[in-house]
Amino acid sequence: DVKVTQSSRYLVKRTGEKVFLECVQDMDHENMFWYRQDPGLGLRLIYFSYDVKMKEKGDIPEGYSVSREKKERFSLILESASTNQTSMYLCASSLRRNEQFFGPGTRLTVL
Amino acid sequence: QKEVEQNSGPLSVPEGAIASLNCTYSDRGSQSFFWYRQYSGKSPELIMSIYSNGDKEDGRFTAQLNKASQYVSLLIRDSQPSDSATYLCAVNKAGNQFYFGTGTSLTVIP
Repeated sequence: DVKVTQSSRYLVKRTGEKVFLECVQDMDHENMFWYRQDPGLGLRLIYFSYDVKMKEKGDIPEGYSVSREKKERFSLILESASTNQTSMYLCASSLRRNEQFFGPGTRLTVL
Repeated sequence: QKEVEQNSGPLSVPEGAIASLNCTYSDRGSQSFFWYRQYSGKSPELIMSIYSNGDKEDGRFTAQLNKASQYVSLLIRDSQPSDSATYLCAVNKAGNQFYFGTGTSLTVIP
């Protein structure tokens, strides 16, 4: 079974804090993705990576950065958390253009 | 125009009926098509993938693809209360990026 894990299920941070969300997949997938999901807005792509040390901006990269130092790990960084970044964050991985597999999600609350 | 469009619903069907979920996409170059199920508070779970025109069946689920009409659908036969969830349609174009619809909420009434 494909397994995608995320570092936390729930996270509460304060405005201005630096936040790290980590994602690990065990299927040797080239592609990894970070989304946020908000009611009524669906899944919105923040960043994706198709290889180690490679990254591409998605639809809403502002306020976020990413790091992919190893193939299995893709990190999302909120440099200075703001309340409008309160959301469900979902990591996914895929093999080339095949289906994406999602992690369990991290529900982040910024106070 | 959105890349992928779905009727947000909610769609309600009685237990045992057929639920029909629809999705249209804008790019004729799209190559891969997927249906995900998402329960409230959980992450999306892949239930079907389809790559060529026609029907693909897996248990109670049938995915239908019509590339000429840029239309993909999901039929759920013998709907069960446990099928109550939001169903997301996803489309992959020539690159590595996926495009998701906003989802259709399905309620199966016992």
